[in-house]
Amino acid sequence: EAGVAQSPRYKIIEKRQSVAFWCNPISGHATLYWYQQILGQGPKLLIQFQNNGVVDDSQLPKDRFSAERLKGVDSTLKIQPAKLEDSAVYLCASSLNLEQTQYFGPGTRLLVL
Amino acid sequence: KNEVEQSPQNLTAQEGEFITINCSYSVGISALHWLQQHPGGGIVSLFMLSSGKKKHGRLIATINIQEKHSSLHITASHPRDSAVYICAVSSNTGNQFYFGTGTSLTVIP
Repeated sequence: EAGVAQSPRYKIIEKRQSVAFWCNPISGHATLYWYQQILGQGPKLLIQFQNNGVVDDSQLPKDRFSAERLKGVDSTLKIQPAKLEDSAVYLCASSLNLEQTQYFGPGTRLLVL
Repeated sequence: KNEVEQSPQNLTAQEGEFITINCSYSVGISALHWLQQHPGGGIVSLFMLSSGKKKHGRLIATINIQEKHSSLHITASHPRDSAVYICAVSSNTGNQFYFGTGTSLTVIP
């Protein structure tokens, strides 16, 4: 079974630029999560989708971050404009349904200069 | 205060030693997760449990709901067990996830 795919694996941008990350969850998984993990800290949930609807985006900085999962499968996370403090690993995870085991992708490592 | 606290933060063990990592939480939960994160960022879900005990190979996870405490045990530790182990909980209200800051384990041959 293919795992959660993410791209790109690494991204370096200058502050105030825009960046987008892509996630392809495990086939058939209804729930998709985006996490931000700053070095030395545990992951922080940014947004959770159930199919193409948002379940929880309370910790998403909506002034600069946006995410969508239009067809209930792939998802994109965008940062516009990026700040230095956005440097982190952005992890995507999926689960068959709510409150079931999450499977994580390899992450996208973002460095904002 | 964090909703999830782990101890120790760092742990170094000799190969073959029995290892215990502890996790305490302060919120009502529907499930507790133990995750393993290897250098380079990849995260693997080890266990999801809401009561009792689960075992997978040399890994054992236990949870005491009344005491709001969970432990992850590794028997006969091996250098390939070196990783960061993260405890996370799903709250039983509002679909919130809370993560501990992780325990960095190094197993020396």
